Amino acid sequence: AQTVTQSQPEMSVQEAETVTLSCTYDTSENNYYLFWYKQPPSRQMILVIRQEAYKQQNATENRFSVNFQKAAKSFSLKISDSQLGDTAMYFCAFVNSGGSNYKLTFGKGTLLTVNP
Amino acid sequence: NAGVMQNPRHLVRRRGQEARLRCSPMKGHSHVYWYRQLPEEGLKFMVYLQKENIIDESGMPKERFSAEFPKEGPSILRIQQVVRGDSAAYFCASSRIVSREGINEQFFGPGTRLTVL
Repeated sequence: AQTVTQSQPEMSVQEAETVTLSCTYDTSENNYYLFWYKQPPSRQMILVIRQEAYKQQNATENRFSVNFQKAAKSFSLKISDSQLGDTAMYFCAFVNSGGSNYKLTFGKGTLLTVNP
Repeated sequence: NAGVMQNPRHLVRRRGQEARLRCSPMKGHSHVYWYRQLPEEGLKFMVYLQKENIIDESGMPKERFSAEFPKEGPSILRIQQVVRGDSAAYFCASSRIVSREGINEQFFGPGTRLTVL
């Protein structure tokens, strides 16, 4: 079974600074996808960024980028120029490609607070 | 272009009552997934449905929980004889056709927060 571990229950950062959220996962599969979701106080789940395991290049979306280390099974999220609106729970998630490629597995989340 | 819709957003039930949670997928999506988020936890997969079919219910508790996605109308997650431990946020997601390879991006609704008194 796949597992996703987020070792930082809470983090804080000053506005305009950079913060990195950690995520590790465990799988025996070779092809899979990784995601970071944001859950603000409204509780809506919002996809922030995704990474295909077969791609060596790290994904980027504006101020959000990942550091994907396949051998180490690590998938960290870097938020640059943090904004107050980035305050939210952040969940790392995993899904296989192929057979059960619909069953997302989530970590327990990291609560990020951006301070003014 | 409405996203995934869930209602109600908040639902309060007393122990022993029934809870019905509804989910309308995005336009053009025929695949629905339900996830449960317990306090201080990430989301956990419950069930995957297509129209009139349950494809995978491996995450559903064996008793009291059921789900359907009829030919017409929203998907329904039904919890009979609720207990306090059922208090959680229940999220619905939908996707287009599910291919055997590649990614089937799921779009999430805002969730229903169930509180059992």
